[in-house]
Amino acid sequence: EPEVTQTPSHQVTQMGQEVILRCVPISNHLYFYWYRQILGQKVEFLVSFYNNEISEKSEIFDDQFSVERPDGSNFTLKIRSTKLEDSAMYFCASSGDSGRQETQYFGPGTRLLVL
Amino acid sequence: KQEVTQIPAALSVPEGENLVLNCSFTDSAIYNLQWFRQDPGKGLTSLLLIQSSQREQTSGRLNASLDKSSGRSTLYIAASQPGDSATYLCAVRPRSGGYQKVTFGIGTKLQVIP
Repeated sequence: EPEVTQTPSHQVTQMGQEVILRCVPISNHLYFYWYRQILGQKVEFLVSFYNNEISEKSEIFDDQFSVERPDGSNFTLKIRSTKLEDSAMYFCASSGDSGRQETQYFGPGTRLLVL
Repeated sequence: KQEVTQIPAALSVPEGENLVLNCSFTDSAIYNLQWFRQDPGKGLTSLLLIQSSQREQTSGRLNASLDKSSGRSTLYIAASQPGDSATYLCAVRPRSGGYQKVTFGIGTKLQVIP
C-alpha cells in the first residue's frame, strides 16, 4: 500500500540553525500538508500546498518557515533560524485530487529537537 | 475559532469490552470529520472519514457517527483488543474560511488490558 515517507526520523540542531525536513508524498496525490505536534499538545496545521504554491497557512507559519516541491516527488519544510520552541514532531501528509473530501495520509513524522 | 474537545482524555478497559470515544466541536460548519489513530512516537493512521452530509461510517469493528447540528461525533469500538491501544484523535475540516485548516482534538488515550 502506498505510504508517505519522511526523512530524517530524528534531527537535533542548535538554536539559530536552519533545518530542512523532507517528505515523499503518495505519488498520485496533489495536496500536501505539514503539521506539527509539540510534546503533549494537539496536532496543529501549518501549511497546505497545491499546484506548486501555498494554498493555505496558519498563524504559526510565519516568515521563519517555507515549503518547496523541488522535484516531482519531494516536499520539503525549511525552518530558518530555529528556536527552542520549534522542538516538536513534524508530520507531512498528502491527499488526492479532491482535497476537501479525500482522506489525508500521514507520514511517520520527524522529531526535531532544538538545543 | 473552531475548538475540538475529546472526552475522556484517557480510558482503560478490559479486552472484549465495547467502548465509545467522544469528540465535540464548537463550529458546526464543517466539511468533514476524520478519526485517526496515533501510536506512541508514530504518525497518524486514518480510521474513518465522515462527510458532513453523512451520519455514520463503518470499518470492521469501528463505527463513527456524526451529529453536525449538535457538534458531536462518536467513535464506537466493538470487542476491543489489546492491539487497539493507542491515542485516538478526531479532526474537523471547515466548510469555509480556510478549508484546509484542519483542527484536531488532543485525543483520547486508550488502553485495552488483556
